[in-house]
Amino acid sequence: DGGITQSPKYLFRKEGQNVTLSCEQNLNHDAMYWYRQDPGQGLRLIYYSQIVNDFQKGDIAEGYSVSREKKESFPLTVTSAQKNPTAFYLCASKEGSEQYFGPGTRLTVT
Amino acid sequence: AQSVSQHNHHVILSEAASLELGCNYSYGGTVNLFWYVQYPGQHLQLLLKYFSGDPLVKGIKGFEAEFIKSKFSFNLRKPSVQWSDTAEYFCAVNAGNYGGSQGNLIFGKGTKLSVKP
Repeated sequence: DGGITQSPKYLFRKEGQNVTLSCEQNLNHDAMYWYRQDPGQGLRLIYYSQIVNDFQKGDIAEGYSVSREKKESFPLTVTSAQKNPTAFYLCASKEGSEQYFGPGTRLTVT
Repeated sequence: AQSVSQHNHHVILSEAASLELGCNYSYGGTVNLFWYVQYPGQHLQLLLKYFSGDPLVKGIKGFEAEFIKSKFSFNLRKPSVQWSDTAEYFCAVNAGNYGGSQGNLIFGKGTKLSVKP
């Protein structure tokens, strides 16, 4: 089955630790995205990548980092510099103008 | 900057009631418009989209939306809701390369729909 996988579904970390969220797609899409979803805030763009080895900051990139070494993978690192990291994180890939979303990872930092 | 406004944060309806969720966007040029739905515990999925042509767009599960260019609106409608329509609904706009966005989607803040059986 083609699709986007994000793992794990739930992630718990202590404050001050970096954590990396996984996103893999087998749709052969060039573009991939990371969003953060908070209650009442909708989806806000963290980083995006239009092609392998290239990525751009989105609207709320501070405290996050990404890499895009392979077409199918776009991991997101939430660093200790992110002041409010507890959130639901969604990964997406794009074909044409339509984005396809993964199931999300709920990160809780205490 | 571009923005998308969804007027209602939470809508509560009884089954068989009609639904209309408002969506307005701020960009004046050519846009692609989307409604996404997130059912409890499920992926965000596309409900319907408008690129060009007939401004009345039909989507999955009996939903439709009307693009009114003069009002910068793309409201979502369903004549008769079901309990299974309980979900969060997001309007999104893709305004091409406006402002260097490279065709990224701008999302509204979402509307939670609760349908009482």
